Amino acid sequence: DQQVKQNSPSLSVQEGRISILNCDYTNSMFDYFLWYKKYPAEGPTFLISISSIKDKNEDGRFTVFLNKSAKHLSLHIVPSQPGDSAVYFCAASGVGTGANNLFFGTGTRLTVIP
Amino acid sequence: DGGITQSPKYLFRKEGQNVTLSCEQNLNHDAMYWYRQDPGQGLRLIYYSQIVNDFQKGDIAEGYSVSREKKESFPLTVTSAQKNPTAFYLCASKINRGTGELFFGEGSRLTVL
Repeated sequence: DQQVKQNSPSLSVQEGRISILNCDYTNSMFDYFLWYKKYPAEGPTFLISISSIKDKNEDGRFTVFLNKSAKHLSLHIVPSQPGDSAVYFCAASGVGTGANNLFFGTGTRLTVIP
Repeated sequence: DGGITQSPKYLFRKEGQNVTLSCEQNLNHDAMYWYRQDPGQGLRLIYYSQIVNDFQKGDIAEGYSVSREKKESFPLTVTSAQKNPTAFYLCASKINRGTGELFFGEGSRLTVL
């Protein structure tokens, strides 16, 4: 059963506009959330994270929002650039979820159109 | 530079053969992980190790084996028992057992002919 879900497999955005990638989770034990960016044939690279004690975390053009009551988080990229085109994975972990593991979503492929 | 090195990057295997994927890290991380990625799916955990000489099965461990004889190394063997081994394999490590980001290697693509 997929505990972390990314329901949009793909997203296309014009350069300079905002990209919003969404992620939902089902396990209320999750308390730490991360976004990874992945280019083809490469390993994912860490982008940004957020702890459940916060509802927003910002790092340059990237902002992650967390809505614990809705079990939803989103990644905003402003402004979007062609180099942002990649697959973005949402991941979650938490004490008590076992394995000190990250549970990954299926990814959203972002295409930024020049 | 510190990082995680996976080898080989591409590997072809005939059916019925075992193959071992190498993963080495010089980040001094305690925990190491193996994930598998298939098209349209998220990363699924195969095995993980939190300390030398100890490892646990992940969600899809059947047909795989690992060892953790050194802190720096966590090789994965894909055995002939793995029914669908063609995939992209990712090794990762983490600084400690708590929450935190995983650092990933570049991945190894295994193709069974």
